[in-house]
Amino acid sequence: GAVVSQHPSWVICKSGTSVKIECRSLDFQATTMFWYRQFPKQSLMLMATSNEGSKATYEQGVEKDKFLINHASLTLSTLTVTSAHPEDSSFYICSAMWGALETQYFGPGTRLLVL
Amino acid sequence: GIQVEQSPPDLILQEGANSTLRCNFSDSVNNLQWFHQNPWGQLINLFYIPSGTKQNGRLSATTVATERYSLLYISSSQTTDSGVYFCAVKETSGSRLTFGEGTQLTVNP
Repeated sequence: GAVVSQHPSWVICKSGTSVKIECRSLDFQATTMFWYRQFPKQSLMLMATSNEGSKATYEQGVEKDKFLINHASLTLSTLTVTSAHPEDSSFYICSAMWGALETQYFGPGTRLLVL
Repeated sequence: GIQVEQSPPDLILQEGANSTLRCNFSDSVNNLQWFHQNPWGQLINLFYIPSGTKQNGRLSATTVATERYSLLYISSSQTTDSGVYFCAVKETSGSRLTFGEGTQLTVNP
């Protein structure tokens, strides 16, 4: 149980385009999902907390107009990187909170390369 | 915010060896999780352990909440144990997980 999927797993795009990443909880409902970013050889950095039916809460320093988050259902959250630039290239990981203990389960991640 | 420190940052073992990874945190927590990030980037849940001791096969973990540290034990290591081990905590007054910098484990055959 508690499986989280992400799509796509890899994306290469040209500078200036927008990219949408989907995060789904496959066998449970998640009122709260999280989006992280990870650079090579570094830890995970929380970008935003996504709550179903409400606006996302962004961490300090994360541009909410650049990283649009939508959590339209209890099993799906999306992250859209708008007008992507090479510095947005990174590994993006989502997680979903499950159960009374609020354990987080992570998706497999999406590697974004902006040329 | 809460600080999370993991040690050692890097660890190289021969297959079959045992190891202990440590996680220190600076404030009271009500959630502590250990993860293994495999070479493909997937984070795998190992333990949810805000206090006490748990065991799962060759892995076990102990958290001493009053002293603000947790230990992850890996026994009889295998090459498939290689990867980065992260400790993440949620402070009692907070709502999100804070990750340590991780321990990069390499198990050689």
